[in-house]
Amino acid sequence: NAGVTQTPKFRVLKTGQSMTLLCAQDMNHEYMYWYRQDPGMGLRLIHYSVGEGTTAKGEVPDGYNVSRLKKQNFLLGLESAAPSQTSVYFCASSYYYGTGNTEAFFGQGTRLTVV
Amino acid sequence: AQTVTQSQPEMSVQEAETVTLSCTYDTSESNYYLFWYKQPPSRQMILVIRQEAYKQQNATENRFSVNFQKAAKSFSLKISDSQLGDTAMYFCAFMGAGGTSYGKLTFGQGTILTVHP
Repeated sequence: NAGVTQTPKFRVLKTGQSMTLLCAQDMNHEYMYWYRQDPGMGLRLIHYSVGEGTTAKGEVPDGYNVSRLKKQNFLLGLESAAPSQTSVYFCASSYYYGTGNTEAFFGQGTRLTVV
Repeated sequence: AQTVTQSQPEMSVQEAETVTLSCTYDTSESNYYLFWYKQPPSRQMILVIRQEAYKQQNATENRFSVNFQKAAKSFSLKISDSQLGDTAMYFCAFMGAGGTSYGKLTFGQGTILTVHP
């Protein structure tokens, strides 16, 4: 059981380049999330999805786009990378079954540097 | 919009002692979940404990317990008998279970906890 897998783990981009980060989960979870983690800022929500074909903006969505064409995958795109997008990116997935328990499972993170 | 605030950027404690990390949140929803996650230097996010808003009883997991004050929108984490392995960044998090925040998972800024021998 792989859980949540992020691809790639490291990437260096030049300003203005584009790239897509892939998040895949094999737990059949409805909810998926993309966060960025910067020193002193905690985990800030970029975009999230509560089901296949749905996406919603989080706290810091500018400069990013997402797609959830398949339930198990959540893609994060940077159309024109900027140095301010240098960060560690985390993907997570979660579930909610009525009044039962829930928790989020995280990928290992992607360290992105924009030069 | 929901917000989560951790007012203690750093905390330290001696091994075997007790420490409490603070968290407050703001929401207009009545049904939600609260979590504490631990992030050691490996960057892996590990669930420490969770609390369902409609349960009045405070959650406990071994040495970890919470003080959930729904009216005050407060959710503190108490770590008893602190161990060196507890050294990590701790995040408080909120997940809406209904209304406009349905499924939205928001984190606080984090508290760096250092356990000294």
